[in-house]
Amino acid sequence: GQQLNQSPQSMFIQEGEDVSMNCTSSSIFNTWLWYKQDPGEGPVLLIALYKAGELTSNGRLTAQFGITRKDSFLNISASIPSDVGIYFCAGPMGTGNQFYFGTGTSLTVIP
Amino acid sequence: KAGVTQTPRYLIKTRGQQVTLSCSPISGHRSVSWYQQTPGQGLQFLFEYFSETQRNKGNFPGRFSGRQFSNSRSEMNVSTLELGDSALYLCASSSTGLTGELFFGEGSRLTVL
Repeated sequence: GQQLNQSPQSMFIQEGEDVSMNCTSSSIFNTWLWYKQDPGEGPVLLIALYKAGELTSNGRLTAQFGITRKDSFLNISASIPSDVGIYFCAGPMGTGNQFYFGTGTSLTVIP
Repeated sequence: KAGVTQTPRYLIKTRGQQVTLSCSPISGHRSVSWYQQTPGQGLQFLFEYFSETQRNKGNFPGRFSGRQFSNSRSEMNVSTLELGDSALYLCASSSTGLTGELFFGEGSRLTVL
């Protein structure tokens, strides 16, 4: 089935640094979602993108819907310790609320 | 506004048993989806219910089933448990009938011994 590949798989950064991660698919999507999951918790929606080329921010987070519609990017500026977690991208499988999820990027912020 | 509530949070079963997990969506949300999360396979779609009807189903065996009640609460059932069914089962609700944003619960962690 469809696979969403995220890179990098993991990141270890110093507090205050900026972070960039991306997600690519073999198919075109009309929606991209970005989630963050803390240990022992369910994923929490960070940003939703609905249009190719769209750039959307949520505080220190900025996500972009790639113009090819096969990729999306997430940037975190001035990272802080609470940014630690696993970041997932997601794209729709078809109709309704069924989504493919990416392989995840694990972020560790070193104080 | 209360979030998505899943019960139980943790449970341990043995092979061959069955299990029922419950999910209460955000008030007003009519779509409930279920996902299985494992270290090896990541997050995988199980099924989606909308207005008491299964709208979509993922690529899982028939041992996995679900239902939705008139108040939008949903349950999923796994029969004849296998070791590989050990996972975090996540429920997500959405307010829209079309492709929309998912709001996840904290999950039910199932361990099969």
